Formats: sequence, structure tokens, C-alpha cells
Amino acid sequence: DGGITQSPKYLFRKEGQNVTLSCEQNLNHDAMYWYRQDPGQGLRLIYYSQIVNDFQKGDIAEGYSVSREKKESFPLTVTSAQKNPTAFYLCASSIYSDYGYTFGSGTRLTVV
Amino acid sequence: DQQVKQNSPSLSVQEGRISILNCDYTNSMFDYFLWYKKYPAEGPTFLISISSIKDKNEDGRFTVFLNKSAKHLSLHIVPSQPGDSAVYFCAASASGGSNYKLTFGKGTLLTVNP
Repeated sequence: DGGITQSPKYLFRKEGQNVTLSCEQNLNHDAMYWYRQDPGQGLRLIYYSQIVNDFQKGDIAEGYSVSREKKESFPLTVTSAQKNPTAFYLCASSIYSDYGYTFGSGTRLTVV
Repeated sequence: DQQVKQNSPSLSVQEGRISILNCDYTNSMFDYFLWYKKYPAEGPTFLISISSIKDKNEDGRFTVFLNKSAKHLSLHIVPSQPGDSAVYFCAASASGGSNYKLTFGKGTLLTVNP
């Protein structure tokens, strides 16, 4: 079955540490996105990539970094510069010219 | 500056009745609108969409209405079922270029009571 996989489902990070969230898709989608969900805040765009080796900042990119070395993979690194990293992180993908996002099941990151 | 607004954080309806979820937007460049449904600890799933060239789109029990002059859209669910209980997100995009990123509202929690 084609889909989008995020791992791990739960992640705990100590303050000052960088962590990387994995996102892999086998849908042959061109575009991939990272969103963050906070209670009462909806979904906010962190980074997105429409083709391999290219990505763009979203609305809240500070303290995050991404790479897009392969079409299937779009990992997100939450750096120590991110002031409030505790949140639910969602990865999504879509065909280049289509709005129909497919979302992963999310990673809940908690800073301890 | 919130460009997509869902002013009702929650809505409760009885099974079998109509659920109406509302969404307002401020960016006049938005020309494509979508509704997503989300259960706790899961990713959102696409529900229904509408282009700005239409004012209504229907898919089974779900209908989306778009009022461009008022910059308002609504999702109607008829009849509502307990399984519809979830958070519903309104999303919008301006497809003027090759950018298909979506802007989401904060969501409305729908509870359908048996």
C-alpha cells in the first residue's frame, strides 16, 4: 500500500539537543511539507519542498532545518534554537500540481 | 495575521441532524479551498474541496458552499453520524504560481451525539 510514514510516533528531547523527525513516502509525490500543530493553533507550515534538492521556508521556519536529497524522503531537524519545540509534527505530500495532500500520522515531540 | 479563520472552536449536534461548519478568509488571492478531517493522534484526511469558479460542491453527505463576495465558506454534513466526530480544518491556497502550499484554519471540533 502506498502511503506516508512518519517516525518515531513519540519523541522526547532534552533541552539543547537537536532531533530529527523522519518522513518517507512511496506515493511518488513531488511535493512534501512539514506542519506543526499546537493546541488551539491549527496547522502551521514549517518548510516545504516541491522538487528534490530544493525547499522553501514556511511561516515558522526559525529553529528548524530540512533536506530533500531523495524524492521519497523529507527529514525535519528540530534544532536547539527552536524556543518551544514541544508540539505535534505532521508531514504531508502531494502531486506537484494538486492540492490533495496526504498526511502522515504525526510525531509528538516533547522536550523534557 | 490569520488568513483563514474558523471562529467556532467546537460544535455539538445530534445524530441525524445537520452539522454546519464555517470558515472565513481574508486573502483575496485564495482560489481553492479544502476541508480536512482529523482524529486525535492521526494525520488529517482530505474530505472535500471547491474551486473559486464554483459556489457549491457536493460529495455524498458532505457539501461545501463558497460565497466569494463574503469570503466565506461552509461545510454541511447531512445527516450527521457519530463517526463524524472529529476536528475539521478549513484550508485555502492561492495557486497563482507553482506554489500549492495550503494555509489552514485553527479547526473546529465537531461532536455528534447519538
